[in-house]
Amino acid sequence: EAGVTQFPSHSVIEKGQTVTLRCDPISGHDNLYWYRRVMGKEIKFLLHFVKESKQDESGMPNNRFLAERTGGTYSTLKVQPAELEDSGVYFCASSQGLATDTQYFGPGTRLTVL
Amino acid sequence: KQEVTQIPAALSVPEGENLVLNCSFTDSAIYNLQWFRQDPGKGLTSLLLIQSSQREQTSGRLNASLDKSSGRSTLYIAASQPGDSATYLCAVEGQTSGSRLTFGEGTQLTVNP
Repeated sequence: EAGVTQFPSHSVIEKGQTVTLRCDPISGHDNLYWYRRVMGKEIKFLLHFVKESKQDESGMPNNRFLAERTGGTYSTLKVQPAELEDSGVYFCASSQGLATDTQYFGPGTRLTVL
Repeated sequence: KQEVTQIPAALSVPEGENLVLNCSFTDSAIYNLQWFRQDPGKGLTSLLLIQSSQREQTSGRLNASLDKSSGRSTLYIAASQPGDSATYLCAVEGQTSGSRLTFGEGTQLTVNP
């Protein structure tokens, strides 16, 4: 069974540009999460999808970030326009259930904004 | 607001030593606590998940304990090996914060041959 996959693995862009990150969860997992780790800080929650619906987006830092999950399958996270402080590693995770199930993480996308 | 703290931030031990990593959390209203491992440049690998009703979980040389009332968990690694070198992360799923995980900053472990 394939794990959570993310694309690209690395992205280097200039301030003001747009970047779109993609996450493919484990097949059959209704729950999809985005997290990020910025330099020197702990991993922090961004948002949670249940199927195609946003269950909790309270961790999204501002309106430059837009997440979608088309048809309840893969998800994209767009940053527009990117700022220097957006640099970090963006992780995606998926799970079947909620409170009792393990969240399985992807390898992350390392974003560098110059 | 849930806060998770991991001590120590870094640990270096000789091969074969038994070691303990510590995790504490401020809000005891949790569903579960999870220990992860992260290798450099890689994603997170789940090691152990302890439900709030459980006291410990074991997998091979790893044993994780949970004392929910005191807000503490430990990860015990027996007979450490160089391949255990990685960053170990603790995360809790709170009962009042949806199903998000709240992470500690991690303990960077180095096992020297």
